[in-house]
Amino acid sequence: EIVLTQSPATLSLSPGERATLSCRASQSVRSFLAWYQQRPGQAPRLLIYDASNRATGIPARFSGSGSGTDFTLTISSLEPEDFAVYYCQQRSNWLTFGGGTKVEMK
Amino acid sequence: QAQLVQSGGEVKRPGASVKVSCQASGYTFTGYYIQWVRQAPGQGLEWLGWINPNSGATEYTPKFQGWVTMTRDTSISTAYMEVTRLTFDDTAVYYCARDHSSGGYYFGLDVWGQGTAVTVSS
Repeated sequence: EIVLTQSPATLSLSPGERATLSCRASQSVRSFLAWYQQRPGQAPRLLIYDASNRATGIPARFSGSGSGTDFTLTISSLEPEDFAVYYCQQRSNWLTFGGGTKVEMK
Repeated sequence: QAQLVQSGGEVKRPGASVKVSCQASGYTFTGYYIQWVRQAPGQGLEWLGWINPNSGATEYTPKFQGWVTMTRDTSISTAYMEVTRLTFDDTAVYYCARDHSSGGYYFGLDVWGQGTAVTVSS
């Protein structure tokens, strides 16, 4: 089983600041990695697929990078609606999720 | 547009079974795998397994092998997931999601159901 480790567990930032979230895989997942946003009481929403491609309707302030074992999700300037939990997920070998990063308002 | 609609919440006793449905609309049901994911209260996302609606083939993560069963009915574009021998630890929101993979690329879980809350209580 491929383990995905997300860091940090919690990120405390203010609106307008830049958020950088990390996801590390225990072995290479090539670019078969996606990122999701989950707000309280809602289903997850796809943000990024294939490591660096924005899903339909996702604002340009969200970007993904990386390949192999190290991946990053960047939110260039936080909007109030961006405070949520973010998960990475791999599909290279079966399917696993990372433990999540909570982006909270400072 | 593509949509997945799940059945309503359930309350079950320990040892009982629960069957959750996931009805697809707005796309070709047999063209995409359906993944099942659960989320215990205050916890992260946990993958249970997938079903290929075209062939009916399934794959379960080892933890759930033997007590989770995934099926589908293509005539009504609906996938099902049944969990047997429920315990308190199975209290969670269960989600179905469309898995979009094509031509060697991975497009992610791009459509999600609204979630079905399953509560195991004595």
